[in-house]
Parts: sequence; C-alpha cells; structure tokens
Amino acid sequence: KAGVTQTPRYLIKTRGQQVTLSCSPISGHRSVSWYQQTPGQGLQFLFEYFSETQRNKGNFPGRFSGRQFSNSRSEMNVSTLELGDSALYLCASSLGRGNEQYFGPGTRLTVT
Amino acid sequence: GESVGLHLPTLSVQEGDNSIINCAYSNSASDYFIWYKQESGKGPQFIIDIRSNMDKRQGQRVTVLLNKTVKHLSLQIAATQPGDSAVYFCAESLIMDSNYQLIWGAGTKLIIKP
Repeated sequence: KAGVTQTPRYLIKTRGQQVTLSCSPISGHRSVSWYQQTPGQGLQFLFEYFSETQRNKGNFPGRFSGRQFSNSRSEMNVSTLELGDSALYLCASSLGRGNEQYFGPGTRLTVT
Repeated sequence: GESVGLHLPTLSVQEGDNSIINCAYSNSASDYFIWYKQESGKGPQFIIDIRSNMDKRQGQRVTVLLNKTVKHLSLQIAATQPGDSAVYFCAESLIMDSNYQLIWGAGTKLIIKP
C-alpha cells in the first residue's frame, strides 16, 4: 500500500506570495490533517478534513486554508506569505479519529 | 492551558542499553496517547499508542507506560540500536471545545553512542 505523498517536497517563495501544497492520503483513508513543524514550536496542528469537510481547526490566522476533494486528496493554501511561515508542512492521513496517523515526508517551505 | 511536554530535550544512550523517554501531560481528560519517531528528513512515524484505560502496552522492543495519577507517559526502548536515533514525540488526544485535538510535545532527541 502506498504511503502518504506530498508535493512539492521543497519550495522557496518570497514574502507576499501565496502557496498551495498538496497531499495524497493512503488509499481508504478519509481523514487528512495538516501540521506546521518549526524547530522552536514543534508540531502545530493546522486543520483536519474528513469527507471533504473541515472538522477541526488549530489556532492559525485565516491566511491558512485548506480543502479536501472527493478522492480524499487535500490541499492547503497560505496567502500573503510571511517570513515566519517558513517551516516543514506535514500531512497525515488516518481512517478517522482515534486511529493511527500516517505522515507524509513533508513540504519544506522557505519564505525569503 | 493544555500542554504536553518532554522532560529532556536530548538523551544520549549507549548502544545496547535501554532508553527511557519521558513525557508529561496536563489534561486529565485525555483518553489516548501516542508516541512518534521522526528521523531526519522524514515525517513522524507511529511507534506505539495507549488508551487511558490501560497503564502499560508493549510492542516490539518498545513499551509505553501511562501513569494517570501524575499525568506521566514514558517510552522505553530495549537494547537501543543506531537506527533508533531520532526525535521522539509524544502526543495527547482530547476533546477541546467540542473538537478533537491531537496535542504534540516538543520532542526529545535520542542520540545513540557507539
């Protein structure tokens, strides 16, 4: 069974730009969660989607948004990028709440 | 507020010895705890989990202990190997403001000495 895939793996953007990251979950998994990982803050929960609906949301500004498609693939978008948005963005899929989450390798975003 | 934290940011262990990584949590309503391992350049990988109605669970070379009285979680790795070098995260699952949340600790870096 293929694992969680994320594209792109690396991305460099400048302040003010916007970016879209993509996540393909494990086949059969309907829950997709997004996390931001920085050295100083650890893993911070962004949001979770289940069956195309946002089920949970962390404490991030509205510049961070996401969506999920009918095939469970998910995208997250960050608008008006700031230097502090530089981080590893991780996607995790699972069968649902209380189930093991499987992580992708992440997308390393650098904002200059 | 709710938080999950690790006592030691870095742990150095001799190869072959046992490793113990500790984690403290603050929300007594948490019902599910997970340990993840993250190797350099990779996403976190599930190691083992435990539900709040248990106090011990064993896997292959790993054991998780849960002490709900003092809100403490530990991960024990037996016969530590070079491949165990990674950052280890504990995570706490709870319902907060009607939402299911998975709160992560800051991580402990495990270094294996040859």
